[in-house]
Amino acid sequence: AQKVTQAQTEISVVEKEDVTLDCVYETRDTTYYLFWYKQPPSGELVFLIRRNSFDEQNEISGRYSWNFQKSTSSFNFTITASQVVDSAVYFCALTVTGANSKLTFGKGITLSVRP
Amino acid sequence: DAGVTQSPTHLIKTRGQHVTLRCSPISGHKSVSWYQQVLGQGPQFIFQYYEKEERGRGNFPDRFSARQFPNYSSELNVNALLLGDSALYLCASRPRRRAHRETQYFGPGTRLLVL
Repeated sequence: AQKVTQAQTEISVVEKEDVTLDCVYETRDTTYYLFWYKQPPSGELVFLIRRNSFDEQNEISGRYSWNFQKSTSSFNFTITASQVVDSAVYFCALTVTGANSKLTFGKGITLSVRP
Repeated sequence: DAGVTQSPTHLIKTRGQHVTLRCSPISGHKSVSWYQQVLGQGPQFIFQYYEKEERGRGNFPDRFSARQFPNYSSELNVNALLLGDSALYLCASRPRRRAHRETQYFGPGTRLLVL
């Protein structure tokens, strides 16, 4: 069985601060995919980033970056120079190959960015 | 291209009633999944359909059923509604291309309130 833990429940920062959202996952599969989704108040889940278990290279995409470490089963997500529009609930999710595309989500982190 | 669409956006029902929710995937996507998200939690997997066949089912009672049509749109049906069925119901579709097989794109959801 797969499990995703997002220990942080709510984070509040002032605009332009950097913020890191933590994610820890559990799976016995060797091939898996990790995701971050953003859920604004409208409710739609917006896909942000995807990482497969064979690629631990950490990347930066605009203001977003992520740190994937298999040794600690962590997949952390950082927003640099946060903006008010970043305020949302952020979900980390996991799927394994062949699991009929079932995504296992964490409970989410509510990020509030104050002007 | 249009994203995943869902209807209706909001719905109010009373206990014991039946509800049908609808989803149209992104053009070219053949896989549709349904998720239930209760307030304050991450989405929970209900069903996956691919090429009109059920390919996966989450831990939900038989009151929940679904189907996929030849045009790949899908319906989620819930019978004998309970108060606990109040939630945001999300539909997701998956690309055909193998390289992005495991990324799901979500619709705006249907907010169901059971009174």
